Amino acid sequence: NAGVTQTPKFQVLKTGQSMTLQCAQDMNHNSMYWYRQDPGMGLRLIYYSASEGTTDKGEVPNGYNVSRLNKREFSLRLESAAPSQTSVYFCATSIVLDQPQHFGDGTRLSIL
Amino acid sequence: KNEVEQSPQNLTAQEGEFITINCSYSVGISALHWLQQHPGGGIVSLFMLSSGKKKHGRLIATINIQEKHSSLHITASHPRDSAVYICAVRSRGSQGNLIFGKGTKLSVKP
Repeated sequence: NAGVTQTPKFQVLKTGQSMTLQCAQDMNHNSMYWYRQDPGMGLRLIYYSASEGTTDKGEVPNGYNVSRLNKREFSLRLESAAPSQTSVYFCATSIVLDQPQHFGDGTRLSIL
Repeated sequence: KNEVEQSPQNLTAQEGEFITINCSYSVGISALHWLQQHPGGGIVSLFMLSSGKKKHGRLIATINIQEKHSSLHITASHPRDSAVYICAVRSRGSQGNLIFGKGTKLSVKP
């Protein structure tokens, strides 16, 4: 079992470019999340999806959009990347919202 | 003031030592999580608790709801325990949001 798979693992973008981070899970979990992790700060929630067909903003949603494509997949899109979005992005899943989360390996994104 | 504070920020121990990492929070919570982030970056959930104590192998997590405090203990520490340990809380009434501490970096020397 792959668990939670994030692609790509690394990406370098120029300011203003767009890109989509992909997350897929084979755990049959209902809830999915996108976090960013910056040096000296705790993980911060960008968006989450309680179940297929629903998405909600987290703590730091500005500059991002998400799509819950189906139960397995939850993508994060940067429409116009900014240097402030340089970070490590983690996707996570849980059976339902109030349960322990399983994390992907992260995507390291640099924006120049 | 951060809603979730961890102490210490950094901790160095000798193999075999008993280790305690502390987490204090300022909001009413429905659950508290402890997670481990490996040096390679992967994050693993260790415990979720809302009262009392949980044990898994050499790891023990306790929580005191009245004092808004939790501790993670590692008995007979080993170099493979070297990682960042993260405390996170779900505030009462919150749906998706976990509030994370900044983590405690543990290094266990052989």
